[in-house]
Amino acid sequence: GESVGLHLPTLSVQEGDNSIINCAYSNSASDYFIWYKQESGKGPQFIIDIRSNMDKRQGQRVTVLLNKTVKHLSLQIAATQPGDSAVYFCAENPLVSSYKLIFGSGTRLLVRP
Amino acid sequence: GAGVSQSPSNKVTEKGKDVELRCDPISGHTALYWYRQSLGQGLEFLIYFQGNSAPDKSGLPSDRFSAERTGGSVSTLTIQRTQQEDSAVYLCASSLTVNYGYTFGSGTRLTVV
Repeated sequence: GESVGLHLPTLSVQEGDNSIINCAYSNSASDYFIWYKQESGKGPQFIIDIRSNMDKRQGQRVTVLLNKTVKHLSLQIAATQPGDSAVYFCAENPLVSSYKLIFGSGTRLLVRP
Repeated sequence: GAGVSQSPSNKVTEKGKDVELRCDPISGHTALYWYRQSLGQGLEFLIYFQGNSAPDKSGLPSDRFSAERTGGSVSTLTIQRTQQEDSAVYLCASSLTVNYGYTFGSGTRLTVV
């Protein structure tokens, strides 16, 4: 995979700061959400997921928040590192028992040393 | 193998030629997906295979595109009479079952000249 282009929303953060990447999803019936990280020249890599019966889930240095009322998903990265620089995609599963993930357009995260 | 393997990693072809892209999913993963990622855009669903069920081809952009999965494992995506708008990165992913996180391969970058 490659970086998705020149016109992505870009978030620039200082190394060591926390990052928050936001995503609005489209379908109120979606029950499963995933965040992916894509580095240049690589395929998307799974970071963390959350199901609709939760509003928060934590991993190592990452936290996903889900607000179903406003159909909003966010990814928080603590103590951002240069290796976190990548394009981040949210994905939703719009139907119960469906298999098809619908991906957002992505946000580029740049970490300043 | 340990991950999803795609070949070739890069393919340059002349307009009008046919191409075949190959995907080896993770052993034991019953679900296999093909997505396309064009420059400046997110991931576009193409086709899905699950076990012995009929594939969902609803994302294929035209009848020039086809895919098959042999023996429930390796999949081949074929594009006939390639056009310049087919230029993109073609990503394959597999998952243990439906409604579960995908593991992506690194993709095949197709350039039609």
